[in-house]
Amino acid sequence: QSMLTQPPSVSGAPGQRVTISCTGTNSTFGAGFDVHWYQQIPGTAPKLLIYGNNNRPSGVPDRFSGSKSDTSASLAITGLQAEDEADYYCQSYDHRLSSWVFGGGTKLTVL
Amino acid sequence: QVLLQQWGAGLLKPSETLSLTCAFYGGSFSGYYWSWLRQPPGKGLEWIGVINQSGYTNYNPSLKSRVTISPDTSKNQFSLRLTSVTAADTAVYYCARGWKWDYVDYWGQGTLVTVSS
Repeated sequence: QSMLTQPPSVSGAPGQRVTISCTGTNSTFGAGFDVHWYQQIPGTAPKLLIYGNNNRPSGVPDRFSGSKSDTSASLAITGLQAEDEADYYCQSYDHRLSSWVFGGGTKLTVL
Repeated sequence: QVLLQQWGAGLLKPSETLSLTCAFYGGSFSGYYWSWLRQPPGKGLEWIGVINQSGYTNYNPSLKSRVTISPDTSKNQFSLRLTSVTAADTAVYYCARGWKWDYVDYWGQGTLVTVSS
């Protein structure tokens, strides 16, 4: 069972904006720990998309942005493109569990 | 360019020990955190543990009794050892690097490990 909660799927048309939510707890985001986001194209290794709540690694387009507030976080993708079709995972740290925790993943479909 | 290459046995019997090694190319081994994660077929990601050169270690409590992650700084490598495997340990295993302790920024290509009698 995932400690972070994500919607199983989201979809959008090319050019649209979509958001993926990630709900944590008082022992993860609520305790001040950062949230990070990964993109995984099926059959390949995950790729870091957002780190430290809202920072993009070099090479990640600015169409991707992250935010965090209290016990919730979200990933926004603007100007949706076919290549964005993938699974997206949020990740944080749970100090009660003393463990990294992941969301269950959200499958993004570009219509 | 940062590259992580991993290898190890892909088929194990129940009760055997899983052993994987990951080599890092394109920089210094020191100053980073080195992690293992896994992903059962068709499922989400699970963190196994993280170490650094200075002796920092943190393991997933659910696996802690069976896991050892060890660095070999002379070879820019680190390894994963998971004892007493069962079918529930069947997964793609990834090695990864992070420049902070709480996330990873580069991933290995993944190794499918199947546990079956």
